[in-house]
Amino acid sequence: DTGVSQDPRHKITKRGQNVTFRCDPISEHNRLYWYRQTLGQGPEFLTYFQNEAQLEKSRLLSDRFSAERPKGSFSTLEIQRTEQGDSAMYLCASSLIGAETQYFGPGTRLLVL
Amino acid sequence: AQSVSQHNHHVILSEAASLELGCNYSYGGTVNLFWYVQYPGQHLQLLLKYFSGDPLVKGIKGFEAEFIKSKFSFNLRKPSVQWSDTAEYFCAGGDTGGGNKLTFGTGTQLKVEL
Repeated sequence: DTGVSQDPRHKITKRGQNVTFRCDPISEHNRLYWYRQTLGQGPEFLTYFQNEAQLEKSRLLSDRFSAERPKGSFSTLEIQRTEQGDSAMYLCASSLIGAETQYFGPGTRLLVL
Repeated sequence: AQSVSQHNHHVILSEAASLELGCNYSYGGTVNLFWYVQYPGQHLQLLLKYFSGDPLVKGIKGFEAEFIKSKFSFNLRKPSVQWSDTAEYFCAGGDTGGGNKLTFGTGTQLKVEL
């Protein structure tokens, strides 16, 4: 059990650029979640997958955001045409169905200039 | 809509003082409740959780929380804090009917002074 890993840990980009983040969940965890955390706030739910199926997306997830989990293992979160308001910590978590405890990764901190 | 509120945003205590952090939730159905902790420079870690059964749950590092359904509360307690408890604490509710996605409170920054 190596824990949830995320890559990169930090990303600085210019407004209008596209960025992609990767999350590797704990092996055999079939649920994978993405959250966003801004300064002074708790994490906010973005979307989650059960195996490879994306089952729910928050209204926070505009059409510039897309997430995939192609083989039910790792996941990617892409933000197109980044805006300064996208600057945040993007967190990934995973869990087993039925166990319901989510384990969080270290996050990817995004800064959009 | 689900919501979780934490009353204290910043708490400063001396070592050995007792701690109680408030958390209230608003959920339409069955909810799982969690407290997570984030130590400086580290990722979110689970402190304790409540799914059902005994409303007093014990977690790691001497923390406990009590689920009081009539008050919609899930307060975190520790009888004697240590300097190493300095961290940010988040209360969260999991929607059992919605893939257990979590709704977090805004967090409480705890500083324990020697």
